[in-house]
This record gives sequence, structure tokens and C-alpha cells, in this order.
Amino acid sequence: DAKTTQPPSMDCAEGRAANLPCNHSTISGNEYVYWYRQIHSQGPQYIIHGLKNNETNEMASLIITEDRKSSTLILPHATLRDTAVYYCIVRPLNTGFQKLVFGTGTRLLVSP
Amino acid sequence: GAVVSQHPSRVICKSGTSVKIECRSLDFQATTMFWYRQFPKQSLMLMATSNEGSKATYEQGVEKDKFLINHASLTLSTLTVTSAHPEDSSFYICSATGQGFYEQYFGPGTRLTVT
Repeated sequence: DAKTTQPPSMDCAEGRAANLPCNHSTISGNEYVYWYRQIHSQGPQYIIHGLKNNETNEMASLIITEDRKSSTLILPHATLRDTAVYYCIVRPLNTGFQKLVFGTGTRLLVSP
Repeated sequence: GAVVSQHPSRVICKSGTSVKIECRSLDFQATTMFWYRQFPKQSLMLMATSNEGSKATYEQGVEKDKFLINHASLTLSTLTVTSAHPEDSSFYICSATGQGFYEQYFGPGTRLTVT
């Protein structure tokens, strides 16, 4: 699976947009970009995933560059409850049966 | 979304004893379940993958005789930590998936403390 690189930590003010970058320069053509987050002492939570088109759901938006070498997860109006570690994962199959390899993620702190 | 539960949420056991952790899919049939371990301030590390009715596949470096995994039904997998030692103290998390799912659903985790 392609390796991902994320900043170790980011800060965001409550109510502002949080833009979390992820670099996956070795991504292959059939690999998807998945985002999960883990709130302290809880199991990870799926956020969103995409292949090459931008995606949006009720939680976030995912912007993937045209060359697919990087992506950005956008939380449009961050709240205190969005404080968590965010993981960007690249995986070859669009199926839950593919095992997930978690990196170190980005620790997002949303402050009042 | 699909719901996965774990029991217990916290457990304290004495060194040398065994402890069992349950992972249940509450509203779907989980043909595959995964077990992860997470030490403080570290990321999740996959321990093993279990398919219903089959033996689990362990990741490199994970002792299969120490971490016994059973996935006897489509809604339940168990992880038994045998002869637990303080270094086994960790946060154990399971996830589950089934046919037609494009992602895994995670349980809330079990914090194991071995004294």
C-alpha cells in the first residue's frame, strides 16, 4: 500500500474550517484515499473516502489533487468535538475486507 | 451506520491470568473481523484478521498462542489474552465488515491493564 505523510499536529479555532493535508505521492491508479478519525480513548470512525473525484458527505469534504499525489480533508465548521487524531490511509480496494494500515495521523486540536 | 460493540470496556487482571474480550456486530453479519492494539500515544497496530469459521491470520510478530482469536459466528469474535503480563496492557480495538461493505466499522475499544 502507498505510504502517506501527514503533519503531526494542527490547531483550529472553533467555527473555522479545518484543512488537513495528506501526501501520498506513490499512490497507484487503483488505490483509494480513506480518512478515519479517532477521538481520545475511542475506536476509529470512518469519515470519507475517494478515488479521484472530490467527495462530500455530512461530516467532511475530500479534495484530491488532479495528479492524486495529495489530498485535503476539510471540516467546514470545526467544533470542539472534532478534536481527534485524523488518519489518512491509502488502500487498493474499495472494500471493507482490505486491512487498514494506520500511520501516525494528525492530531487536530479545536479551541474555543 | 453499522454498530460494533466490545465487552468489557475496561478490565484489570493479574499477571499470569487470561482475559477474554468480546467483539460483536449488532446489526449486520460480520464475515470478517480485525483486532488491533494501541499503546499510549501510538497508532493502531493490526494484530490479526479473522474470518467466520476459519482460523485467524496473524500479523508478523504477533504470537498466535498468546492472543487466541475465535470467530465462531457471524456476529461474535473473541480475543483471549493468555498468561497476561504487564507489557500486554494496552487498548484493544476490533473492527468488523461484511459483504457489500466498503469499509470497516470499529468497536469502542477495551482497555486492558495487567497488574
